[in-house]
Amino acid sequence: GAGVSQSPSNKVTEKGKDVELRCDPISGHTALYWYRQSLGQGLEFLIYFQGNSAPDKSGLPSDRFSAERTGGSVSTLTIQRTQQEDSAVYLCASSLDYMASGDGDTQYFGPGTRLTVL
Amino acid sequence: KQEVTQIPAALSVPEGENLVLNCSFTDSAIYNLQWFRQDPGKGLTSLLLIQSSQREQTSGRLNASLDKSSGRSTLYIAASQPGDSATYLCAVGGSNYKLTFGKGTLLTVNP
Repeated sequence: GAGVSQSPSNKVTEKGKDVELRCDPISGHTALYWYRQSLGQGLEFLIYFQGNSAPDKSGLPSDRFSAERTGGSVSTLTIQRTQQEDSAVYLCASSLDYMASGDGDTQYFGPGTRLTVL
Repeated sequence: KQEVTQIPAALSVPEGENLVLNCSFTDSAIYNLQWFRQDPGKGLTSLLLIQSSQREQTSGRLNASLDKSSGRSTLYIAASQPGDSATYLCAVGGSNYKLTFGKGTLLTVNP
Protein backbone atom coordinates (compact mmCIF):
# COMPACT_ATOMS: atom_id res chain seq x y z
CA GLY A 1 0.00 0.00 0.00
CA ALA A 2 0.98 3.65 -0.21
CA GLY A 3 3.34 4.96 2.40
CA VAL A 4 3.58 8.38 3.99
CA SER A 5 3.98 11.07 1.36
CA GLN A 6 5.26 14.61 1.77
CA SER A 7 5.33 17.62 -0.47
CA PRO A 8 7.22 19.43 -1.68
CA SER A 9 10.35 17.30 -1.62
CA ASN A 10 12.50 20.42 -1.73
CA LYS A 11 11.70 24.01 -0.87
CA VAL A 12 13.99 26.99 -1.22
CA THR A 13 12.72 30.24 0.23
CA GLU A 14 13.96 33.65 1.20
CA LYS A 15 14.34 34.70 4.79
CA GLY A 16 11.14 36.22 6.10
CA LYS A 17 8.77 34.32 3.81
CA ASP A 18 6.15 31.85 5.04
CA VAL A 19 6.23 28.20 3.95
CA GLU A 20 3.77 25.32 4.14
CA LEU A 21 4.81 21.69 4.20
CA ARG A 22 2.31 18.93 3.60
CA CYS A 23 2.07 15.39 4.90
CA ASP A 24 -0.28 12.61 3.78
CA PRO A 25 -0.18 9.79 6.32
CA ILE A 26 -0.85 6.14 5.66
CA SER A 27 -4.57 5.57 5.31
CA GLY A 28 -6.10 4.46 8.61
CA HIS A 29 -3.26 5.73 10.77
CA THR A 30 -4.66 7.83 13.59
CA ALA A 31 -1.35 9.13 14.92
CA LEU A 32 0.76 11.65 13.00
CA TYR A 33 4.11 13.14 13.98
CA TRP A 34 6.39 15.88 12.67
CA TYR A 35 10.14 15.79 13.25
CA ARG A 36 12.99 18.01 12.15
CA GLN A 37 16.43 16.78 11.14
CA SER A 38 19.11 19.44 11.17
CA LEU A 39 22.69 18.95 10.11
CA GLY A 40 24.65 17.75 13.11
CA GLN A 41 21.60 17.97 15.40
CA GLY A 42 19.89 14.68 14.77
CA LEU A 43 16.14 14.24 14.71
CA GLU A 44 13.98 16.24 17.06
CA PHE A 45 10.28 15.88 17.77
CA LEU A 46 8.06 18.82 16.80
CA ILE A 47 4.38 17.95 17.15
CA TYR A 48 2.03 14.98 17.57
CA PHE A 49 -1.59 14.47 16.53
CA GLN A 50 -3.72 11.58 17.78
CA GLY A 51 -7.22 11.25 16.41
CA ASN A 52 -9.39 14.16 17.45
CA SER A 53 -7.41 14.95 20.59
CA ALA A 54 -5.65 18.25 21.05
CA PRO A 55 -2.19 18.03 19.50
CA ASP A 56 0.97 17.97 21.56
CA LYS A 57 2.88 21.01 20.37
CA SER A 58 5.58 20.88 23.01
CA GLY A 59 8.37 20.33 20.50
CA LEU A 60 7.70 23.35 18.33
CA PRO A 61 10.78 25.61 18.59
CA SER A 62 8.97 28.94 18.40
CA ASP A 63 5.55 30.49 17.82
CA ARG A 64 6.47 30.92 14.17
CA PHE A 65 5.77 27.21 13.80
CA SER A 66 2.25 25.83 13.66
CA ALA A 67 0.59 22.70 12.36
CA GLU A 68 -2.89 21.49 11.70
CA ARG A 69 -4.47 18.24 10.70
CA THR A 70 -7.66 18.37 8.70
CA GLY A 71 -10.24 15.61 8.84
CA GLY A 72 -7.90 13.43 10.83
CA SER A 73 -5.77 12.83 7.78
CA VAL A 74 -3.61 15.36 5.91
CA SER A 75 -1.40 17.62 7.99
CA THR A 76 0.23 20.93 7.16
CA LEU A 77 3.23 22.37 8.99
CA THR A 78 3.50 26.13 8.57
CA ILE A 79 6.59 28.18 9.30
CA GLN A 80 6.06 31.93 9.33
CA ARG A 81 8.78 34.51 8.74
CA THR A 82 11.37 31.83 8.04
CA GLN A 83 14.87 32.20 9.40
CA GLN A 84 18.09 30.61 8.19
CA GLU A 85 18.19 28.37 11.25
CA ASP A 86 14.92 26.82 10.07
CA SER A 87 16.83 25.14 7.25
CA ALA A 88 16.48 21.41 7.82
CA VAL A 89 14.74 18.29 6.59
CA TYR A 90 11.21 18.10 7.94
CA LEU A 91 9.98 14.54 8.36
CA CYS A 92 6.45 13.36 8.90
CA ALA A 93 5.54 9.96 10.33
CA SER A 94 2.34 8.12 11.08
CA SER A 95 1.34 5.11 13.13
CA LEU A 96 -1.80 3.14 13.81
CA ASP A 97 -2.10 4.19 17.42
CA TYR A 98 0.57 4.67 20.03
CA MET A 99 0.45 2.10 22.81
CA ALA A 100 -1.73 -0.13 20.73
CA SER A 101 -0.80 -3.77 20.79
CA GLY A 102 1.48 -5.34 18.26
CA ASP A 103 2.79 -3.11 15.53
CA GLY A 104 0.71 -0.10 16.49
CA ASP A 105 3.72 1.71 17.86
CA THR A 106 5.81 1.50 14.72
CA GLN A 107 6.22 4.91 13.16
CA TYR A 108 6.42 4.99 9.39
CA PHE A 109 8.26 7.95 7.94
CA GLY A 110 7.81 9.90 4.75
CA PRO A 111 10.73 10.95 2.53
CA GLY A 112 10.88 14.41 4.07
CA THR A 113 10.88 17.98 2.80
CA ARG A 114 14.28 19.63 2.57
CA LEU A 115 13.83 23.30 3.45
CA THR A 116 16.54 25.80 2.60
CA VAL A 117 16.17 29.38 3.81
CA LEU A 118 18.45 31.78 2.00
CA LYS B 1 15.42 14.00 29.93
CA GLN B 2 16.10 10.93 27.78
CA GLU B 3 19.40 10.92 25.93
CA VAL B 4 20.33 8.36 23.31
CA THR B 5 23.89 7.67 22.25
CA GLN B 6 25.05 5.56 19.34
CA ILE B 7 28.50 4.11 19.02
CA PRO B 8 30.38 4.08 16.74
CA ALA B 9 29.48 7.20 14.78
CA ALA B 10 30.85 5.56 11.65
CA LEU B 11 31.85 2.05 10.70
CA SER B 12 33.43 0.63 7.58
CA VAL B 13 33.57 -3.12 7.02
CA PRO B 14 34.28 -5.51 4.15
CA GLU B 15 31.38 -7.36 2.61
CA GLY B 16 30.41 -10.54 4.40
CA GLU B 17 31.35 -9.44 7.90
CA ASN B 18 28.99 -9.71 10.82
CA LEU B 19 28.72 -6.45 12.74
CA VAL B 20 27.14 -4.90 15.80
CA LEU B 21 25.82 -1.38 16.23
CA ASN B 22 25.35 -0.06 19.73
CA CYS B 23 22.73 2.19 21.27
CA SER B 24 22.53 3.35 24.86
CA PHE B 25 19.90 5.42 26.64
CA THR B 26 19.89 7.19 29.99
CA ASP B 27 16.33 6.61 31.21
CA SER B 28 15.35 2.96 31.42
CA ALA B 29 11.64 3.78 31.74
CA ILE B 30 11.03 3.26 28.05
CA TYR B 31 7.99 1.97 26.25
CA ASN B 32 9.74 0.67 23.16
CA LEU B 33 12.86 1.00 21.05
CA GLN B 34 12.95 1.22 17.30
CA TRP B 35 15.81 0.82 14.83
CA PHE B 36 15.68 2.67 11.51
CA ARG B 37 17.88 2.97 8.47
CA GLN B 38 18.22 6.17 6.50
CA ASP B 39 19.63 6.29 3.00
CA PRO B 40 21.17 9.57 1.76
CA GLY B 41 18.48 12.12 0.94
CA LYS B 42 15.72 9.74 1.95
CA GLY B 43 13.36 9.29 4.84
CA LEU B 44 13.60 6.66 7.55
CA THR B 45 12.79 3.02 7.05
CA SER B 46 11.70 1.10 10.12
CA LEU B 47 13.76 -2.06 10.62
CA LEU B 48 12.73 -3.47 13.98
CA LEU B 49 10.64 -2.42 16.95
CA ILE B 50 11.19 -3.96 20.37
CA GLN B 51 8.57 -3.48 23.06
CA SER B 52 9.88 -2.87 26.58
CA SER B 53 8.74 -6.34 27.64
CA GLN B 54 10.74 -8.02 24.89
CA ARG B 55 14.41 -8.95 24.80
CA GLU B 56 14.97 -9.18 21.07
CA GLN B 57 13.46 -9.06 17.62
CA THR B 58 14.68 -10.64 14.41
CA SER B 59 14.05 -9.86 10.77
CA GLY B 60 16.09 -11.67 8.16
CA ARG B 61 19.77 -10.90 8.71
CA LEU B 62 18.96 -8.37 11.42
CA ASN B 63 18.67 -9.04 15.12
CA ALA B 64 18.02 -6.34 17.70
CA SER B 65 18.36 -6.91 21.42
CA LEU B 66 17.19 -4.81 24.32
CA ASP B 67 18.50 -4.72 27.90
CA LYS B 68 16.29 -2.15 29.55
CA SER B 69 17.90 -2.32 32.96
CA SER B 70 21.32 -1.44 31.60
CA GLY B 71 19.97 1.02 29.05
CA ARG B 72 21.39 -0.74 26.01
CA SER B 73 20.33 -2.07 22.66
CA THR B 74 22.35 -3.65 19.90
CA LEU B 75 21.61 -4.19 16.24
CA TYR B 76 23.37 -7.21 14.81
CA ILE B 77 23.73 -7.46 11.04
CA ALA B 78 24.82 -10.83 9.71
CA ALA B 79 26.75 -11.35 6.49
CA SER B 80 26.78 -7.65 5.60
CA GLN B 81 26.24 -6.57 1.99
CA PRO B 82 27.04 -3.32 0.15
CA GLY B 83 23.30 -2.64 0.06
CA ASP B 84 23.34 -2.41 3.85
CA SER B 85 25.35 0.82 3.57
CA ALA B 86 23.26 3.55 5.22
CA THR B 87 22.88 5.47 8.45
CA TYR B 88 21.32 3.41 11.22
CA LEU B 89 19.30 5.27 13.81
CA CYS B 90 18.16 4.08 17.22
CA ALA B 91 15.07 5.73 18.70
CA VAL B 92 13.58 5.28 22.15
CA GLY B 93 9.86 5.68 22.73
CA GLY B 94 8.54 6.75 26.10
CA SER B 95 5.01 6.75 27.46
CA ASN B 96 4.55 10.16 25.91
CA TYR B 97 4.93 8.65 22.39
CA LYS B 98 7.77 10.97 21.46
CA LEU B 99 10.73 9.22 19.92
CA THR B 100 14.15 10.33 21.13
CA PHE B 101 16.75 9.61 18.49
CA GLY B 102 20.44 8.95 18.61
CA LYS B 103 22.64 10.67 16.05
CA GLY B 104 23.13 7.47 14.12
CA THR B 105 25.89 5.20 12.91
CA LEU B 106 27.04 5.64 9.33
CA LEU B 107 27.74 2.16 7.98
CA THR B 108 29.76 1.52 4.84
CA VAL B 109 30.03 -2.03 3.55
CA ASN B 110 32.80 -2.32 0.99
CA PRO B 111 32.54 -4.84 -1.85
